[in-house]
Amino acid sequence: GENVEQHPSTLSVQEGDSAVIKCTYSDSASNYFPWYKQELGKRPQLIIDIRSNVGEKKDQRIAVTLNKTAKHFSLHITETQPEDSAVYFCAASGSGGSNYKLTFGKGTLLTVNP
Amino acid sequence: DAGVTQSPTHLIKTRGQQVTLRCSPKSGHDTVSWYQQALGQGPQFIFQYYEEEERQRGNFPDRFSGHQFPNYSSELNVNALLLGDSALYLCASSFFSWDRESDTQYFGPGTRLTVL
Repeated sequence: GENVEQHPSTLSVQEGDSAVIKCTYSDSASNYFPWYKQELGKRPQLIIDIRSNVGEKKDQRIAVTLNKTAKHFSLHITETQPEDSAVYFCAASGSGGSNYKLTFGKGTLLTVNP
Repeated sequence: DAGVTQSPTHLIKTRGQQVTLRCSPKSGHDTVSWYQQALGQGPQFIFQYYEEEERQRGNFPDRFSGHQFPNYSSELNVNALLLGDSALYLCASSFFSWDRESDTQYFGPGTRLTVL
């Protein structure tokens, strides 16, 4: 089955700096890659996603890049703010016509220091 | 437009008991997935329901079962509870389309289950 590795497990940056979180996946047939942000005690919230027919997607300060050949994708947050502090999860899905589940990485705890 | 809702918020049970958790999907969604999130881990897929049937199942024992109702809401049942079943149980809803271009999953707030 699919396996998703996420790095780093913790990341501390200064406010205004950029943050990058990287994920690799094992199933070359996966074609959907969402990123979720989870604040303490709250639900995972989708922040951005990308499908395999696209190499990069941006939404204001957040961007995701996908390299299907290398089977890795990354989350980029620019001009970080203290409210960006949370746990971020990457996930992969969609391999084949009958795979609907999301396989998650173990998460990255991002701390943005004022 | 209501998002995904779950009940109850918290639940405390003892080993061997049975529990039922409930989920109402986001308006317009027809598919419900259940995930277990242990402390400090990413969510783990339990199963997904579509058209009132279990469409896909993760690596969870038969003690975990579910149901989907005609209004698309869903229940997760866990029998013979173990200490290791203590976790946050998340429900996610989505809309199924054959081109798979709009099946983004949106999560509910979760049910925190503690097994003593």
